[in-house]
Amino acid sequence: QQQVKQSPQSLIVQKGGISIINCAYENTAFDYFPWYQQFPGKGPALLIAIRPDVSEKKEGRFTISFNKSAKQFSLHIMDSQPGDSATYFCAASKGKAAGNKLTFGGGTRVLVKP
Amino acid sequence: DVKVTQSSRYLVKRTGEKVFLECVQDMDHENMFWYRQDPGLGLRLIYFSYDVKMKEKGDIPEGYSVSREKKERFSLILESASTNQTSMYLCASSSAQAANYGYTFGSGTRLTVV
Repeated sequence: QQQVKQSPQSLIVQKGGISIINCAYENTAFDYFPWYQQFPGKGPALLIAIRPDVSEKKEGRFTISFNKSAKQFSLHIMDSQPGDSATYFCAASKGKAAGNKLTFGGGTRVLVKP
Repeated sequence: DVKVTQSSRYLVKRTGEKVFLECVQDMDHENMFWYRQDPGLGLRLIYFSYDVKMKEKGDIPEGYSVSREKKERFSLILESASTNQTSMYLCASSSAQAANYGYTFGSGTRLTVV
């Protein structure tokens, strides 16, 4: 039973295009929603995160959109670059009371073509 | 440069062997985690620890155990390795004091059980 469902599994986008990755969750106790970026041979690294009290957060070319009522959140990569080619994971946490444990989605492999 | 170090990048073990995966962090983090990463399944939590000598089961603890004798070191033990434990294993740490729940991951250990 996957508590955080991520789609698509893979994505090919042209340089300069927009990459969109979607995640849906079921547990309304989740209160922190980070995205991680993983390059081949490396561990995942925190990219951007959002809490449910805001509907959008932007950091450079990366934007998280959050829809609390639909229990969905998404990552938008604007002006995608070949260096953005990586695997992206969404995640969710119930907070410190739950030991800061993160539940991850299945991952999306993004390929940006030059 | 703060980091999480996993002792081996690649391991090949035989079925039935006892396998130790070691993880060391230099950030004085309270929380440490072991995940396994499989294509399409994302990262699944095996065990975590929020203090020395403390441990809690994650989502898939069967066939694994852990040890945390010192704050900086968290070991994952495969009691009797099986082929279905062939996977990428990721160690992570996080601060219990931080306002966010960001993890720092190691680079992973790719374990093959033959």
